[in-house]
Amino acid sequence: SSELTQDPTVSVALGQTVTITCQGDSLRSYYASWYQQKPGQAPVLVMYGKNNRPSGIPDRFSGSSSGDTASLTITGAQAEDEADYYCNSRDSSGNPWVFGGGTKMTVL
Amino acid sequence: QVQLVESGGGVVQPGRSLRLSCAASGFTFSSYGMHWVRQAPGKGLEWVAVISHDDTFEYCADSMKGRFIISRDNSKNTVFLQMNSLRPEDTAVYYCARDHTLSGENGLDLWGHGTTVTVSS
Repeated sequence: SSELTQDPTVSVALGQTVTITCQGDSLRSYYASWYQQKPGQAPVLVMYGKNNRPSGIPDRFSGSSSGDTASLTITGAQAEDEADYYCNSRDSSGNPWVFGGGTKMTVL
Repeated sequence: QVQLVESGGGVVQPGRSLRLSCAASGFTFSSYGMHWVRQAPGKGLEWVAVISHDDTFEYCADSMKGRFIISRDNSKNTVFLQMNSLRPEDTAVYYCARDHTLSGENGLDLWGHGTTVTVSS
């Protein structure tokens, strides 16, 4: 079955740069999209396509992809960026959409 | 106001059915594909089902196929998730989300607040 793999946790010092990765075969064919979820809230799209930010998402968020790995980078992490981050992509085997297991990001 | 509002969740016994609704407003609903995504307590997001803007394509996750059915009524700006033969492991917050193209290039750019389903005897 389809699978996207994320590190369960990551931490970053306030103001520093952090990269969250997502690995899976589907990413060789499809873009990843990224979602931020804070406790008790619905997910919010923060990155999609090649490197596109929805309106209202700060430009400290950026995305990239290489081979089977997609990355979300936060340059100058802020306290309000502390959240769970999920990647998601289309897939051509198994279910047509798949989510990664999520990465819990802590800002120190 | 552009929004999605889910309803229909609740406490239900194992083996029973429930129908979730997601009402859209503030945008041209009939131009968007729609997804259902769920999140079990303390767990990550799990993709559940998708339906195209014109109802020509629909798909439920393999683990739910045969029990869950997604549908939509564009005249009422609403997407539904019919859940049958519910199991305790279906306990989760269920979100609906919109997707402009279903190509994977645009992401799920608008989510509802979610509705909670608890399957318990």
